[in-house]
Amino acid sequence: DSGVTQTPKHLITATGQRVTLRCSPRSGDLSVYWYQQSLDQGLQFLIQYYNGEERAKGNILERFSAQQFPDLHSELNLSSLELGDSALYFCASSVRTGGGTDTQYFGPGTRLTVL
Amino acid sequence: GEDVEQSLFLSVREGDSSVINCTYTDSSSTYLYWYKQEPGAGLQLLTYIFSNMDMKQDQRLTVLLNKKDKHLSLRIADTQTGDSAIYFCAEGSGGGADGLTFGKGTHLIIQP
Repeated sequence: DSGVTQTPKHLITATGQRVTLRCSPRSGDLSVYWYQQSLDQGLQFLIQYYNGEERAKGNILERFSAQQFPDLHSELNLSSLELGDSALYFCASSVRTGGGTDTQYFGPGTRLTVL
Repeated sequence: GEDVEQSLFLSVREGDSSVINCTYTDSSSTYLYWYKQEPGAGLQLLTYIFSNMDMKQDQRLTVLLNKKDKHLSLRIADTQTGDSAIYFCAEGSGGGADGLTFGKGTHLIIQP
């Protein structure tokens, strides 16, 4: 158990809908990262927040957004969902701003299925 | 752009050594990581190596880095059935830019 929690574990929804995925980082960790794992694209970095502020952006679509709250939990919002958004979404956390020995610890993931 | 390549499958006999290979293209990569993903689970950090190191050993795991060829390998000694998983190589630039770039993962299959 990495100490990172994600809810829900599974989510099934329809095209065009909007969903929110939630992540609670390890106690004391200030950074939260979101990754998408799909069969064709593999694991891709989406976005990072550090202590409530957006810090780095990866291959995140404009239909997706995230935020980190004062209690440091984070939410990833996915809107106007398409079939291709079906994937496993991972959250990771690290103590500081990331990189080097500031290793990222991953949660168990949320499996999103868009029908 | 950045790219990390791994072979998709590796099959080994139980008790043998497994060697999983990875190549990367970003010469600014500062840290290289190996993560393990078991079915239905998240990613577990196995080990990492700093780019100025050639080798790192941690119990049954040995990481070798050839920075000139941008080649990284993970050797698992005395492979057990519990080692059956997907192994991901990832690179990070260190010092803040902070999302990792992952390979597609190598499925390690253990034969009895």
